[in-house]
Amino acid sequence: DQQVKQNSPSLSVQEGRISILNCDYTNSMFDYFLWYKKYPAEGPTFLISISSIKDKNEDGRFTVFLNKSAKHLSLHIVPSQPGDSAVYFCAASSLSYDKVIFGPGTSLSVIP
Amino acid sequence: KAGVTQTPRYLIKTRGQQVTLSCSPISGHRSVSWYQQTPGQGLQFLFEYFSETQRNKGNFPGRFSGRQFSNSRSEMNVSTLELGDSALYLCASSEGSSGNTIYFGEGSWLTVV
Repeated sequence: DQQVKQNSPSLSVQEGRISILNCDYTNSMFDYFLWYKKYPAEGPTFLISISSIKDKNEDGRFTVFLNKSAKHLSLHIVPSQPGDSAVYFCAASSLSYDKVIFGPGTSLSVIP
Repeated sequence: KAGVTQTPRYLIKTRGQQVTLSCSPISGHRSVSWYQQTPGQGLQFLFEYFSETQRNKGNFPGRFSGRQFSNSRSEMNVSTLELGDSALYLCASSEGSSGNTIYFGEGSWLTVV
């Protein structure tokens, strides 16, 4: 049973536009959410996180939104740059879990 | 601060052999997690160690095992290798408390032939 879902395997966006990556989770015990970016042949790089006590967290071009009632979070990248082309993983953890559960990833292509 | 270091980066093994992968966490981090990534798959959780104790385990067969040393360094071992074990094995470290961000190493690419 997949507890963290990223239903879009891939996404293409024009350079300069907004990229929106979506993530859904099923376990209401999750209270900490993270986004990672991964280039081929490299380990995932931490991008941004959000605690369940917040509904928005911003870091430069990256903003994560959390809708607890819908069990949904999204990552917004504005403006998108070609260097943002990578696989993005959504992840979740909780106080009772001690482990981080990852979604299957969304491959983002930013077209110049 | 040095990041998470994994060795070896690349290795090729034969079916039936066993392999040991090593991970040195970020200094001060007491938790080490291992993940497997196969082509087209996400990051599958293998296990997590904290203070030399396995705290969590994923849904992998007993051929996959690990341990953590007193200096927080960790090793994972895969015995009786199968072709399907070919994957990128990623180690991640964190301070160990829930809500901590985990930081990944570059991974160890294992090819089983």
